[in-house]
Amino acid sequence: DAGVIQSPRHEVTEMGQEVTLRCKPISGHNSLFWYRQTMMRGLELLIYFNNNVPIDDSGMPEDRFSAKMPNASFSTLKIQPSEPRDSAVYFCASSSIRNQPQHFGDGTRLSIL
Amino acid sequence: AQKVTQAQTEISVVEKEDVTLDCVYETRDTTYYLFWYKQPPSGELVFLIRRNSFDEQNEISGRYSWNFQKSTSSFNFTITASQVVDSAVYFCALDRAGGGADGLTFGKGTHLIIQP
Repeated sequence: DAGVIQSPRHEVTEMGQEVTLRCKPISGHNSLFWYRQTMMRGLELLIYFNNNVPIDDSGMPEDRFSAKMPNASFSTLKIQPSEPRDSAVYFCASSSIRNQPQHFGDGTRLSIL
Repeated sequence: AQKVTQAQTEISVVEKEDVTLDCVYETRDTTYYLFWYKQPPSGELVFLIRRNSFDEQNEISGRYSWNFQKSTSSFNFTITASQVVDSAVYFCALDRAGGGADGLTFGKGTHLIIQP
């Protein structure tokens, strides 16, 4: 089975631009998570979906960040407008039911200049 | 609030040595799950183990073993006869069971360097 697929793998853009990160979870998984990894703060949960419904977005840093899951096989994380401090690796993960191991995508390395 | 502490930021050992990575957690929940993930230099996060708070049996998988002690809120990870390929950052993580939607709370990670 294919794992969690994230795109793009790398993104370099100028501040102020809109950035959209994409994630395809493992088929059959009904929980989806977005995390951000930085040197300063480590791995942080941004938002969590269950059955395509956002459950907790308290980890989303600002209103510039938004996430959607229009169907069971696709989710997006959008930053608008982007700022240099948003530079990080963004991971998407999915699991079959709560507390089962989360399987992570390879991440998107985002650089905002 | 939940918290995971990995006090060792970096460990360097020579190949074939045994090494233990420490993990201490804090939670008010009586039911919870503990995880270890490996992040090799290539950057992906690889699941290693999941442990339920009610299961305090130690687990061994090849050269890897885990020691869960609820009394000290610790979930330590030991690699026996380390190999260069074990070099990576290792994360301990905690998840609430049942309701709630906290996702994983990660420790800061331990960078393990295995020297040939």
